[in-house]
Formats: sequence, C-alpha cells, structure tokens
Amino acid sequence: SAVISQKPSRDICQRGTSLTIQCQVDSQVTMMFWYRQQPGQSLTLIATANQGSEATYESGFVIDKFPISRPNLTFSTLTVSNMSPEDSSIYLCSGGRAQETQYFGPGTRLLVL
Amino acid sequence: GNSVTQMEGPVTLSEEAFLTINCTYTATGYPSLFWYVQYPGEGLQLLLKATKADDKGSNKGFEATYRKETTSFHLEKGSVQVSDSAVYFCALSDPQGGSEKLVFGKGTKLTVNP
Repeated sequence: SAVISQKPSRDICQRGTSLTIQCQVDSQVTMMFWYRQQPGQSLTLIATANQGSEATYESGFVIDKFPISRPNLTFSTLTVSNMSPEDSSIYLCSGGRAQETQYFGPGTRLLVL
Repeated sequence: GNSVTQMEGPVTLSEEAFLTINCTYTATGYPSLFWYVQYPGEGLQLLLKATKADDKGSNKGFEATYRKETTSFHLEKGSVQVSDSAVYFCALSDPQGGSEKLVFGKGTKLTVNP
C-alpha cells in the first residue's frame, strides 16, 4: 500500500487569492490524480497528474484555474487559482501503480470567503 | 462512458442489523470494482475491492461480490456496529480500457444507532 500526505489539511482563504496544495506519496507510484468533493457530494476527478508533462484535465476543469505540477513520481501540487466561494470543497489526491489499488490522501478542506 | 449508480441514502440502522447498499455499474470494458469508506472528518479509505467477475472482496465483516451478469457490486454486512457509521462510496476503474481513473457513485451515508 501507499501512504499519502497532503498539506495543508485545511485553510480559509479570501476570494481572488490562490492556494497551492501539496501531495506526497511515500513510494513511487505510476498514477496520481486530483479529485474535488463539494459539500455533501461525491468525488469528481479534476485531472491526472503526469510526471514531467502537462496534466490531463477532465471536462469542466481547465489548467488556468487548476494548474498542476508533478516533478517526480512521489510529489504533486494542485493550485486553486483566483478562488471564489464556489471553490469551497475538499480536495483529495490519490496515487497508485498501474492496475493496482489507488490510495487517497486525507484531503485538504478549503473554505473561501 | 463508465458510470456507477449507488443506492441513495441516508440509511439508518440499529446496531447488529443487516446492511445492504446496492451498487450497479455501466462500463465498456472489464472494470475493477471498489468500495471506499469515509468516516466523519476523514479522507477516503479503501474498504474492499474485486478485479474480476465472481470475485468476492471482504474486509472488517463487509463483503461484496462482483456480478457481471447483473453488473452489480452490492455491499453487505451481517451485523453493523456504531463504529460503521460513515459514508460509503462504490467506484470503478477500467485499467484494461486504458484508464486507472476512478468513477464514483454518489455515496450512501450510513448511521448506526446503539
């Protein structure tokens, strides 16, 4: 299994600002993903974080709003840019090897005022 | 595309009651199926999984069997405890179809009363 940590665990931000969330995996994984969980809702995939290249975004999510980096096999960042109250959510990263189980980080709880 | 339909909640049970949470899926390939659990204030934890037809996943007294003929992966537990109170998510991935991405159901909130 993989142990995944995220920083920060929670934050309260002002609208118009940006927040960068870090995700660290304790072992090398092939796949890393970022999900959003809006209040009381299920998880929606934002993007696949690709090592050394641009992330692959799902429909409805764009790089300008959610820039993602993945400089190596164990680390990724997600930035939520120009935030609005609608961005208040839990953001989770996950990681795993190809054709194996994905494991999730504890999530970052974001509140935008 | 791939999708997961999960029994709507919330579900409220008394301790030691039998639990079933229904989950059906639509997939173009041969997906792997998962149940994840989210305890209050925490992230997602893998509860159990099955990777091919007729596989049974089990953990902590929970079970689910991969039924290809009915495209289902229902979660069951014979005797629930207060500590099982959480939100349960059914999910699939289709690695052979070229995607490890997880597609989630909407989640079912379970409350177990003493």
